[in-house]
Amino acid sequence: DTGVSQDPRHKITKRGQNVTFRCDPISEHNRLYWYRQTLGQGPEFLTYFQNEAQLEKSRLLSDRFSAERPKGSFSTLEIQRTEQGDSAMYLCASSPLRWGETQYFGPGTRLLVL
Amino acid sequence: GESVGLHLPTLSVQEGDNSIINCAYSNSASDYFIWYKQESGKGPQFIIDIRSNMDKRQGQRVTVLLNKTVKHLSLQIAATQPGDSAVYFCAEIPNSGNTPLVFGKGTRLSVIA
Repeated sequence: DTGVSQDPRHKITKRGQNVTFRCDPISEHNRLYWYRQTLGQGPEFLTYFQNEAQLEKSRLLSDRFSAERPKGSFSTLEIQRTEQGDSAMYLCASSPLRWGETQYFGPGTRLLVL
Repeated sequence: GESVGLHLPTLSVQEGDNSIINCAYSNSASDYFIWYKQESGKGPQFIIDIRSNMDKRQGQRVTVLLNKTVKHLSLQIAATQPGDSAVYFCAEIPNSGNTPLVFGKGTRLSVIA
C-alpha cells in the first residue's frame, strides 16, 4: 500500500494526558499537512511541512500542540494536556512539491478525550 | 474571511439518477479546486480537480463545472450508485501552490436503491 498511513487509528485518553499521532506520507511527497475534523464539518488546517521545515501553523494550533517532521519523511503530532475539546479526527495529507498537485489523505486518527 | 460553502447539506437521489452537488466559493483569487468524497470513518478521497483556467473537467462518471463569474463549482455524478453514498466536500487553494486547502462543510449524498 503506497498511500498515506496514520497510527493509531483510534485513541481514547483521559483529560490532561498527552497523546502522539504518527503520519507516514506517500513516498517522496515533499509536503505533509495536518488537519482536524469535527463531526459534520470539513477538515480544518492545522500545520504543514515542506520536507523537514514547518512552513505554516494555523491559529487553531494552540501551544499545547506540536508537530515535527525531523527527517522530512514521517511526521508526529503531539497534544499535551488534552482537553475534551480536542476530541476530533486528525487527518494527515501529503502532496508533491509541484504546483497544483492534489493532497492525498490518510485514514485519520480518531481521538476521544474523556 | 474567505470560505468555501455548500448550498445543500443533504441530497437524496434514486439509484441510477444523476446527482449534482453544488459549492460556492468566495475567494476570486483561488485557482485550484478539488472535490473529495468521505465515507464514514475514513479520510477524504480525491475525486476530481479543476484549475481556474478551465470551466469543465470530466472523469469516470464525474464531471466538475467551474463558473468563475459567479464563483460556483459543481460536481455531477452520472448514474449514481449505492457506493456513491458519502459526504462530498469541495476544497479550494486560495493561493497558487500547494498551500493548505480550505474546505466547506460538505454535502451528504444518500442513494436510494
